[in-house]
Amino acid sequence: GAGVSQSPSNKVTEKGKDVELRCDPISGHTALYWYRQSLGQGLEFLIYFQGNSAPDKSGLPSDRFSAERTGGSVSTLTIQRTQQEDSAVYLCASSFSGSRGTEAFFGQGTRLTVV
Amino acid sequence: GEDVEQSLFLSVREGDSSVINCTYTDSSSTYLYWYKQEPGAGLQLLTYIFSNMDMKQDQRLTVLLNKKDKHLSLRIADTQTGDSAIYFCAESSMNTGFQKLVFGTGTRLLVSP
Repeated sequence: GAGVSQSPSNKVTEKGKDVELRCDPISGHTALYWYRQSLGQGLEFLIYFQGNSAPDKSGLPSDRFSAERTGGSVSTLTIQRTQQEDSAVYLCASSFSGSRGTEAFFGQGTRLTVV
Repeated sequence: GEDVEQSLFLSVREGDSSVINCTYTDSSSTYLYWYKQEPGAGLQLLTYIFSNMDMKQDQRLTVLLNKKDKHLSLRIADTQTGDSAIYFCAESSMNTGFQKLVFGTGTRLLVSP
């Protein structure tokens, strides 16, 4: 597609349930990033993929969070046993190579609300 | 670790210049970015500068970098109501192979007619 696509755009889930967030990067972009935007916390890096491997997952807040990328394209961020503090907007971005100064294009995000 | 700070809010009148400030802590070779986020939208890259530059100009946007003080600013000339948005400063550094963007908390710019 023309841009980074994320689905769903909004998700409301009950505390304790698992959720999956999907990101379709721009075709041909090898680098893919997940960020979380919370009120009062700014934008927080979660994980970075180069191709299908994740050389940096230092931002994942706990072992309830995991992500995978298949075929060098679509990525899924999974949150198990969701907690209220997981409520945030989850943003995905992709870039051509992940090298210095390369522009990262962001999707519109998935707003997750845990009730 | 890396830290990026911004003031939270700026209000200007249409036609005035806006200056949004940012400070960062990483002293290694660094790219510094300005992103714009409009309501309900993702982040849009406005411009970026490498830490060996002092200034970069792109139409109404001027980026100034004081590397000694680790201070970055974004000046928007002739600010329009359409410039109302949240502006994020971000940095990527050699320490992380330039692969991770560290963002500030964002500055909400309000432009009144």
